[in-house]
Amino acid sequence: GENVEQHPSTLSVQEGDSAVIKCTYSDSASNYFPWYKQELGKRPQLIIDIRSNVGEKKDQRIAVTLNKTAKHFSLHITETQPEDSAVYFCAASRSNTGNQFYFGTGTSLTVIP
Amino acid sequence: GAGVSQTPSNKVTEKGKYVELRCDPISGHTALYWYRQSLGQGPEFLIYFQGTGAADDSGLPNDRFFAVRPEGSVSTLKIQRTERGDSAVYLCASNMGPGNTIYFGEGSWLTVV
Repeated sequence: GENVEQHPSTLSVQEGDSAVIKCTYSDSASNYFPWYKQELGKRPQLIIDIRSNVGEKKDQRIAVTLNKTAKHFSLHITETQPEDSAVYFCAASRSNTGNQFYFGTGTSLTVIP
Repeated sequence: GAGVSQTPSNKVTEKGKYVELRCDPISGHTALYWYRQSLGQGPEFLIYFQGTGAADDSGLPNDRFFAVRPEGSVSTLKIQRTERGDSAVYLCASNMGPGNTIYFGEGSWLTVV
């Protein structure tokens, strides 16, 4: 099955700085990569996703890049704000068969005001 | 409904007891997932339904765990002879099938004492 690894496990940045979280996956057939934000005691919520036919996607302060050859993808948050503090999870899925989603172990991001 | 609904939100049970957790997916979503999340970890895949049938139950940890979705909508996760190690948040998610984003419920916090 798919194995998703995520780094770092914790990340602290000053408000206004950028944050980068990286994930690798093992199954070259995975073709859909969502990112979720989870606040304490809340459900994981989708913040951005990317499919294997594109290399980068941006939504305001959030961007995701994908390198299919190296089997890794990254989340970039610019101009961080205290409300960005949360746990972020990456995931990988094969949409053509199976439809399972495999998650990384999470990155706890703290934005220091 | 507007979102994935899970009940109960919290459940405390004694070791050895039987527990049922219920999930009501987003209306029209054909696929339903159960995940388990322990503190500081990412969601761990348990089982995935496409319609009424379990398309993949490879994540169920042992035969004490069972899930049903008899009418292709609401699902129930059943845990027999609960153990303290079963304590976790049980997350349900749904989507419209392969290639689509999954949306999570708020989870059922299970504590086995």
